[in-house]
Amino acid sequence: DSGVTQTPKHLITATGQRVTLRCSPRSGDLSVYWYQQSLDQGLQFLIQYYNGEERAKGNILERFSAQQFPDLHSELNLSSLELGDSALYFCASSGGGWGLYGYTFGSGTRLTVV
Amino acid sequence: GESVGLHLPTLSVQEGDNSIINCAYSNSASDYFIWYKQESGKGPQFIIDIRSNMDKRQGQRVTVLLNKTVKHLSLQIAATQPGDSAVYFCAVADTGRRALTFGSGTRLQVQP
Repeated sequence: DSGVTQTPKHLITATGQRVTLRCSPRSGDLSVYWYQQSLDQGLQFLIQYYNGEERAKGNILERFSAQQFPDLHSELNLSSLELGDSALYFCASSGGGWGLYGYTFGSGTRLTVV
Repeated sequence: GESVGLHLPTLSVQEGDNSIINCAYSNSASDYFIWYKQESGKGPQFIIDIRSNMDKRQGQRVTVLLNKTVKHLSLQIAATQPGDSAVYFCAVADTGRRALTFGSGTRLQVQP
């Protein structure tokens, strides 16, 4: 158990719909990062939040948005879903470091758009 | 921006052999590199990291080599075991955004 919790583990929805993915960071970590992993591909950085504020953006579509709440959990909102949005979505949290105990990934949410 | 590539999509080795997984990166200013292991249904797990002021770093059964001249790094796994079967990613750290740029992964298959 990495300490980073993502829910739900699986999500199946129809095109045009909206979904919300949730991430609870490891205890004490202030930063949350979202990544998208399409089939057999590497992870693509989407967005970073630090202590409730957006800090950095990657390849995040305008249909996607995120926020981090006062209790530090984060939500990734995906709207007007398309078939191509089917992917694994990972959340990572960090307390400032990079290594073994620094930058930790959750187990992901598998989104299937039909 | 940074792009990271991997030389082989799949690597098949015999149990007990040594495995070598390669990775190339594009940005000569990159200074921190991490190897991750991803098993089916799980998130990436940290294996080993290396900073650009080093050429080699060793862990338990794993060694990472960094060649800054040709912008190449490799992961060596000694005495590969069935439990090593997974997809391996190299990642380059963007210390400004605190984000990682991942390669597309190499699937390591260990044959008994």
